[in-house]
Amino acid sequence: EDQVTQSPEALRLQEGESSSLNCSYTVSGLRGLFWYRQDPGKGPEFLFTLYSAGEEKEKERLKATLTKKESFLHITAPKPEDSATYLCAVQAGRGAQKLVFGQGTRLTINP
Amino acid sequence: DTGVSQNPRHKITKRGQNVTFRCDPISEHNRLYWYRQTLGQGPEFLTYFQNEAQLEKSRLLSDRFSAERPKGSFSTLEIQRTEQGDSAMYLCASSPGQTDNSPLHFGNGTRLTVT
Repeated sequence: EDQVTQSPEALRLQEGESSSLNCSYTVSGLRGLFWYRQDPGKGPEFLFTLYSAGEEKEKERLKATLTKKESFLHITAPKPEDSATYLCAVQAGRGAQKLVFGQGTRLTINP
Repeated sequence: DTGVSQNPRHKITKRGQNVTFRCDPISEHNRLYWYRQTLGQGPEFLTYFQNEAQLEKSRLLSDRFSAERPKGSFSTLEIQRTEQGDSAMYLCASSPGQTDNSPLHFGNGTRLTVT
């Protein structure tokens, strides 16, 4: 069964303090790994898709990387507006459409 | 692109009642998905449509749940004889379907509370 585990569950940082969020996965036949951001009371907002080990994607202060067993979301010099829950999801299996999500990391950036 | 629209935003119902939610996907997106999210958890897949055809349904989904997408545009999710355990955020998402791993675009959900 496909599984996704995110750590830590919650993370508090000071503004400007860089860190990384982890997403470990166990799947058969990874077809894509997705990162989403979710603000309270809203639906997830798409950030990145990664397809193969070694791939990296960047957007503003965020950079996502992928290995064969895990993905990292690096946040550099975060600002309070980066506070949100960050969700990792995998799509696996030939022809499969569903995403399997981790439980998320709740990130708080203090000014 | 006006985004995925879900109605109502909130629904409070008594146990045993039936409820129906509506989702309007991004226009020209032919794939539509329903997910359920409880507090502190990631979204859990419920079902998926390609145009009007329901192609995949979670094995964990109770028979009390049914979804339709009659003309390949909007979709409805109905829950019959609601139970307190059905309380959750119900999320709808759509994707263009041009590639099998197109990113999903989510709506802001319908929050269901069963009393």
